[in-house]
Amino acid sequence: DTGVSQDPRHKITKRGQNVTFRCDPISEHNRLYWYRQTLGQGPEFLTYFQNEAQLEKSRLLSDRFSAERPKGSFSTLEIQRTEQGDSAMYLCASSLLGGGSQQYFGPGTRLTVT
Amino acid sequence: GIQVEQSPPDLILQEGANSTLRCNFSDSVNNLQWFHQNPWGQLINLFYIPSGTKQNGRLSATTVATERYSLLYISSSQTTDSGVYFCAVNRDDKIIFGKGTRLHILP
Repeated sequence: DTGVSQDPRHKITKRGQNVTFRCDPISEHNRLYWYRQTLGQGPEFLTYFQNEAQLEKSRLLSDRFSAERPKGSFSTLEIQRTEQGDSAMYLCASSLLGGGSQQYFGPGTRLTVT
Repeated sequence: GIQVEQSPPDLILQEGANSTLRCNFSDSVNNLQWFHQNPWGQLINLFYIPSGTKQNGRLSATTVATERYSLLYISSSQTTDSGVYFCAVNRDDKIIFGKGTRLHILP
Protein backbone atom coordinates (compact mmCIF):
# COMPACT_ATOMS: atom_id res chain seq x y z
CA ASP A 1 0.00 0.00 0.00
CA THR A 2 1.80 3.08 -1.25
CA GLY A 3 -0.94 5.54 -0.39
CA VAL A 4 -2.60 8.15 -2.57
CA SER A 5 -0.18 10.09 -4.75
CA GLN A 6 -0.65 13.36 -6.60
CA ASP A 7 1.37 15.08 -9.27
CA PRO A 8 2.61 17.75 -9.46
CA ARG A 9 2.95 18.85 -5.85
CA HIS A 10 3.19 22.50 -6.86
CA LYS A 11 2.10 24.36 -9.97
CA ILE A 12 2.54 28.03 -10.79
CA THR A 13 0.75 29.23 -13.88
CA LYS A 14 -0.30 32.47 -15.49
CA ARG A 15 -3.90 33.52 -15.66
CA GLY A 16 -5.60 32.12 -18.73
CA GLN A 17 -3.44 29.00 -19.02
CA ASN A 18 -4.76 25.45 -18.72
CA VAL A 19 -3.46 23.09 -16.04
CA THR A 20 -3.92 19.38 -15.41
CA PHE A 21 -3.38 17.48 -12.18
CA ARG A 22 -3.09 13.75 -11.68
CA CYS A 23 -4.17 11.53 -8.80
CA ASP A 24 -3.27 7.88 -8.29
CA PRO A 25 -5.48 6.28 -5.63
CA ILE A 26 -4.70 3.32 -3.40
CA SER A 27 -4.73 0.43 -5.85
CA GLU A 28 -7.75 -1.54 -4.65
CA HIS A 29 -9.92 1.51 -3.97
CA ASN A 30 -12.78 2.04 -6.39
CA ARG A 31 -13.93 5.41 -5.07
CA LEU A 32 -11.91 8.55 -5.91
CA TYR A 33 -12.68 12.08 -4.71
CA TRP A 34 -11.43 15.56 -5.51
CA TYR A 35 -11.50 18.42 -2.98
CA ARG A 36 -10.30 22.02 -3.02
CA GLN A 37 -8.90 23.88 -0.02
CA THR A 38 -8.36 27.62 0.15
CA LEU A 39 -6.33 29.39 2.80
CA GLY A 40 -7.81 29.17 6.27
CA GLN A 41 -10.67 26.91 5.24
CA GLY A 42 -11.41 23.22 5.36
CA PRO A 43 -11.37 21.21 2.14
CA GLU A 44 -14.52 21.41 0.01
CA PHE A 45 -15.90 18.57 -2.07
CA LEU A 46 -15.64 18.95 -5.87
CA THR A 47 -16.50 15.59 -7.44
CA TYR A 48 -16.17 11.84 -7.06
CA PHE A 49 -15.93 8.66 -9.13
CA GLN A 50 -17.06 5.11 -8.64
CA ASN A 51 -14.62 3.24 -10.86
CA GLU A 52 -14.73 5.22 -14.12
CA ALA A 53 -18.18 6.75 -13.58
CA GLN A 54 -18.38 10.33 -12.32
CA LEU A 55 -21.29 10.19 -9.89
CA GLU A 56 -21.55 13.71 -8.50
CA LYS A 57 -20.23 17.18 -9.15
CA SER A 58 -20.36 20.11 -6.77
CA ARG A 59 -21.67 23.52 -7.77
CA LEU A 60 -18.09 24.65 -7.12
CA LEU A 61 -17.04 22.77 -10.25
CA SER A 62 -17.59 25.39 -12.93
CA ASP A 63 -17.60 24.53 -16.63
CA ARG A 64 -13.89 25.40 -16.75
CA PHE A 65 -13.20 22.33 -14.62
CA SER A 66 -13.30 18.78 -15.89
CA ALA A 67 -12.34 15.52 -14.23
CA GLU A 68 -11.84 12.08 -15.70
CA ARG A 69 -11.02 8.60 -14.54
CA PRO A 70 -10.87 6.76 -17.85
CA LYS A 71 -9.87 3.28 -16.73
CA GLY A 72 -11.11 3.39 -13.18
CA SER A 73 -7.60 3.80 -11.81
CA PHE A 74 -5.86 7.21 -11.89
CA SER A 75 -7.81 10.44 -12.33
CA THR A 76 -7.05 13.83 -13.86
CA LEU A 77 -8.48 17.22 -12.98
CA GLU A 78 -8.14 19.91 -15.65
CA ILE A 79 -8.75 23.60 -15.20
CA GLN A 80 -9.11 25.63 -18.37
CA ARG A 81 -8.49 29.37 -18.62
CA THR A 82 -7.27 29.60 -15.05
CA GLU A 83 -8.25 32.56 -12.90
CA GLN A 84 -6.57 33.93 -9.78
CA GLY A 85 -9.49 32.63 -7.74
CA ASP A 86 -8.51 29.10 -8.72
CA SER A 87 -5.40 29.37 -6.54
CA ALA A 88 -5.83 26.68 -3.89
CA MET A 89 -4.71 23.27 -2.72
CA TYR A 90 -6.34 20.49 -4.74
CA LEU A 91 -6.68 17.29 -2.74
CA CYS A 92 -7.48 13.81 -3.93
CA ALA A 93 -8.79 11.01 -1.74
CA SER A 94 -9.78 7.40 -2.25
CA SER A 95 -11.84 4.84 -0.41
CA LEU A 96 -12.53 1.17 -0.77
CA LEU A 97 -16.28 1.46 -0.87
CA GLY A 98 -18.92 4.14 -0.64
CA GLY A 99 -21.49 4.46 2.09
CA GLY A 100 -19.22 6.23 4.51
CA SER A 101 -16.00 4.27 4.11
CA GLN A 102 -12.84 5.86 5.45
CA GLN A 103 -11.20 8.20 2.95
CA TYR A 104 -7.44 8.49 2.58
CA PHE A 105 -5.94 11.69 1.22
CA GLY A 106 -3.00 12.39 -1.02
CA PRO A 107 -0.44 15.16 -0.36
CA GLY A 108 -2.27 17.63 -2.59
CA THR A 109 -1.32 19.87 -5.50
CA ARG A 110 -0.84 23.52 -4.60
CA LEU A 111 -1.86 25.76 -7.51
CA THR A 112 -0.82 29.39 -7.73
CA VAL A 113 -2.29 31.48 -10.54
CA THR A 114 -0.40 34.72 -11.16
CA GLY B 1 -26.81 21.12 3.81
CA ILE B 2 -25.20 19.67 6.87
CA GLN B 3 -23.17 22.08 9.01
CA VAL B 4 -19.96 21.13 10.82
CA GLU B 5 -18.71 23.46 13.52
CA GLN B 6 -15.41 23.10 15.33
CA SER B 7 -14.30 24.81 18.49
CA PRO B 8 -12.18 26.49 19.52
CA PRO B 9 -10.90 27.98 16.25
CA ASP B 10 -7.47 28.58 17.77
CA LEU B 11 -5.73 27.09 20.78
CA ILE B 12 -2.32 27.92 22.23
CA LEU B 13 -0.90 25.60 24.86
CA GLN B 14 2.33 24.93 26.62
CA GLU B 15 4.09 21.66 25.91
CA GLY B 16 2.81 18.96 28.23
CA ALA B 17 -0.71 20.37 28.53
CA ASN B 18 -3.88 18.48 27.64
CA SER B 19 -6.53 19.71 25.22
CA THR B 20 -10.04 18.92 24.04
CA LEU B 21 -11.27 19.82 20.57
CA ARG B 22 -14.97 19.72 19.80
CA CYS B 23 -16.94 19.05 16.63
CA ASN B 24 -20.70 19.61 16.36
CA PHE B 25 -22.72 18.54 13.34
CA SER B 26 -26.24 19.47 12.41
CA ASP B 27 -27.68 16.20 11.08
CA SER B 28 -27.18 12.44 11.10
CA VAL B 29 -24.06 11.18 9.33
CA ASN B 30 -22.66 7.91 8.01
CA ASN B 31 -19.32 8.35 9.73
CA LEU B 32 -16.92 10.89 11.17
CA GLN B 33 -13.19 11.28 10.73
CA TRP B 34 -10.58 13.38 12.52
CA PHE B 35 -7.55 14.59 10.56
CA HIS B 36 -4.35 16.43 11.37
CA GLN B 37 -3.08 18.67 8.58
CA ASN B 38 0.66 19.09 8.70
CA PRO B 39 2.50 22.27 7.61
CA TRP B 40 2.91 20.85 4.09
CA GLY B 41 -0.83 20.37 3.69
CA GLN B 42 -1.01 16.59 4.04
CA LEU B 43 -4.15 15.37 5.78
CA ILE B 44 -3.22 12.61 8.18
CA ASN B 45 -5.97 10.24 9.32
CA LEU B 46 -6.29 10.20 13.10
CA PHE B 47 -9.59 8.46 13.74
CA TYR B 48 -12.47 6.96 11.84
CA ILE B 49 -15.14 7.09 14.51
CA PRO B 50 -18.84 7.10 13.63
CA SER B 51 -19.65 6.36 17.27
CA GLY B 52 -18.03 5.32 20.52
CA THR B 53 -14.52 5.90 21.80
CA LYS B 54 -11.13 5.07 20.33
CA GLN B 55 -7.62 5.64 21.60
CA ASN B 56 -4.29 5.81 19.82
CA GLY B 57 -1.37 6.66 22.06
CA ARG B 58 -1.77 10.16 23.45
CA LEU B 59 -4.84 10.81 21.32
CA SER B 60 -8.35 9.63 21.86
CA ALA B 61 -11.72 10.46 20.32
CA THR B 62 -15.33 10.07 21.32
CA THR B 63 -18.37 10.45 19.08
CA VAL B 64 -21.90 10.64 20.44
CA ALA B 65 -23.89 10.30 17.25
CA THR B 66 -27.29 10.69 18.92
CA GLU B 67 -26.22 14.09 20.26
CA ARG B 68 -24.31 15.01 17.08
CA TYR B 69 -20.91 15.80 18.46
CA SER B 70 -17.42 14.41 18.64
CA LEU B 71 -14.45 15.23 20.87
CA LEU B 72 -10.74 14.81 20.22
CA TYR B 73 -8.49 14.62 23.26
CA ILE B 74 -4.76 15.26 23.10
CA SER B 75 -2.82 14.50 26.26
CA SER B 76 0.73 15.57 27.16
CA SER B 77 0.99 17.81 24.09
CA GLN B 78 4.22 17.93 22.11
CA THR B 79 5.40 20.61 19.70
CA THR B 80 4.90 18.14 16.86
CA ASP B 81 1.18 18.16 17.63
CA SER B 82 0.98 21.70 16.26
CA GLY B 83 -1.10 22.17 13.14
CA VAL B 84 -4.73 22.23 12.10
CA TYR B 85 -7.14 19.55 13.25
CA PHE B 86 -10.17 18.89 11.09
CA CYS B 87 -13.36 17.07 11.84
CA ALA B 88 -15.11 15.71 8.75
CA VAL B 89 -18.46 13.99 8.47
CA ASN B 90 -19.54 11.68 5.70
CA ARG B 91 -23.00 12.29 4.32
CA ASP B 92 -24.26 11.01 0.97
CA ASP B 93 -20.85 9.65 -0.01
CA LYS B 94 -18.88 12.86 0.36
CA ILE B 95 -16.98 14.38 3.25
CA ILE B 96 -17.95 17.73 4.69
CA PHE B 97 -15.21 19.39 6.69
CA GLY B 98 -15.35 21.85 9.52
CA LYS B 99 -13.12 24.93 9.44
CA GLY B 100 -10.63 23.30 11.76
CA THR B 101 -8.93 24.07 15.05
CA ARG B 102 -5.45 25.58 14.75
CA LEU B 103 -3.33 24.25 17.59
CA HIS B 104 -0.04 25.85 18.64
CA ILE B 105 2.09 24.00 21.16
CA LEU B 106 4.78 26.19 22.69
CA PRO B 107 8.05 24.63 23.86
